[in-house]
Amino acid sequence: QKEVEQDPGPLSVPEGAIVSLNCTYSNSAFQYFMWYRQYSRKGPELLMYTYSSGNKEDGRFTAQVDKSSKYISLFIRDSQPSDSATYLCAMKRGSGTYKYIFGTGTRLKVLA
Amino acid sequence: GAGVSQTPSNKVTEKGKYVELRCDPISGHTALYWYRQSLGQGPEFLIYFQGTGAADDSGLPNDRFFAVRPEGSVSTLKIQRTERGDSAVYLCASSLDTLTGELFFGEGSRLTVL
Repeated sequence: QKEVEQDPGPLSVPEGAIVSLNCTYSNSAFQYFMWYRQYSRKGPELLMYTYSSGNKEDGRFTAQVDKSSKYISLFIRDSQPSDSATYLCAMKRGSGTYKYIFGTGTRLKVLA
Repeated sequence: GAGVSQTPSNKVTEKGKYVELRCDPISGHTALYWYRQSLGQGPEFLIYFQGTGAADDSGLPNDRFFAVRPEGSVSTLKIQRTERGDSAVYLCASSLDTLTGELFFGEGSRLTVL
């Protein structure tokens, strides 16, 4: 079993839809969580960064962490065709550790 | 520029050749990482530098892979006797510190071994 599981998709939604992207993990020691957006043939771009449990909002993006369920989510409101990309989750243990473990990424297509 | 810079962006080489990939991190970032991303997969950790020293090279697949960061800034990933299985995108990331550890990635070097 991988430490971080992520459905590869593709996930296709109509423009304007609310998108929910998720990752599950097995290591209860993970405390720092990130979401990246990666366009084709580009490097990953940091979208959201959260520590421990709870929600964080930034514009159309909301990141949620549920440590009791070992489950993290990224919500995209009012999705746009420009949101079409692969979304990667990444996580690591406590401060002083450095190795982020990535999910495989979910391909998202927002249809105009 | 302000971001992580990687060169070359694309490299095509023949099996058995030697390759060097370069990474110039964000100015002031002491932590530097190399990851490898194969098609349809997430980035996989290769090596981590804190300053000049390789603090963790446990992700390097074998002794054909080596990385240096002699002055604590620019890093070079070196691959000897390349094999077709080495074909992937090699991503470099830097971080201001490891306490919070937000990683900022470059665009990657796409290596194709024929």
